Amino acid sequence: EAGVTQSPTHLIKTRGQQATLRCSPISGHTSVYWYQQALGLGLQFLLWYDEGEERNRGNFPPRFSGRQFPNYSSELNVNALELEDSALYLCASSSNRRRVHFGNGTRLTVT
Amino acid sequence: DQQVKQNSPSLSVQEGRISILNCDYTNSMFDYFLWYKKYPAEGPTFLISISSIKDKNEDGRFTVFLNKSAKHLSLHIVPSQPGDSAVYFCAASAWGNDMRFGAGTRLTVKP
Repeated sequence: EAGVTQSPTHLIKTRGQQATLRCSPISGHTSVYWYQQALGLGLQFLLWYDEGEERNRGNFPPRFSGRQFPNYSSELNVNALELEDSALYLCASSSNRRRVHFGNGTRLTVT
Repeated sequence: DQQVKQNSPSLSVQEGRISILNCDYTNSMFDYFLWYKKYPAEGPTFLISISSIKDKNEDGRFTVFLNKSAKHLSLHIVPSQPGDSAVYFCAASAWGNDMRFGAGTRLTVKP
């Protein structure tokens, strides 16, 4: 069984640009979660999608957005990038909203 | 709104001794708790979980204890091994909602 896959592995952008991160959940999982792990901080909850709809979002500005496609894959978009957006972005999926399975993340660097 | 707190950023123990990692939460609606382990350059992986109807769950060398009245849980690793060296995240969820994580505790097990 393939795990959660994220692409790209690394992404380098300049301030003000937009970044798009992608996630493919485990087959059969309908929920996708996005978390940000900034340096020295824990996993900050960003967004939760389930069955194609946004179910909840964390305490992040509106320039962080995303969507979930009919095949349950997901995309995270970050507009107007700021230096402090540099972080590891982790995607996780779940079939039961209890145990989540993580991908290896996308390392976003904003210069 | 840090609903899950891990107040110890790091812990160092000798191989063969017990490691105790602590976690506190504030949301009384949380009814399911998990521990994840994270190695560098990898996503977090599930370690052990406990439902709020229990106060203890064991899996080999790993035991999680839950004290609902104190809103506190702990992870015991006995005996600790060098391969256990990683960052450990505490997580919690309420039924039908997303999962929240703590800031993590870096465990170092010295040979």
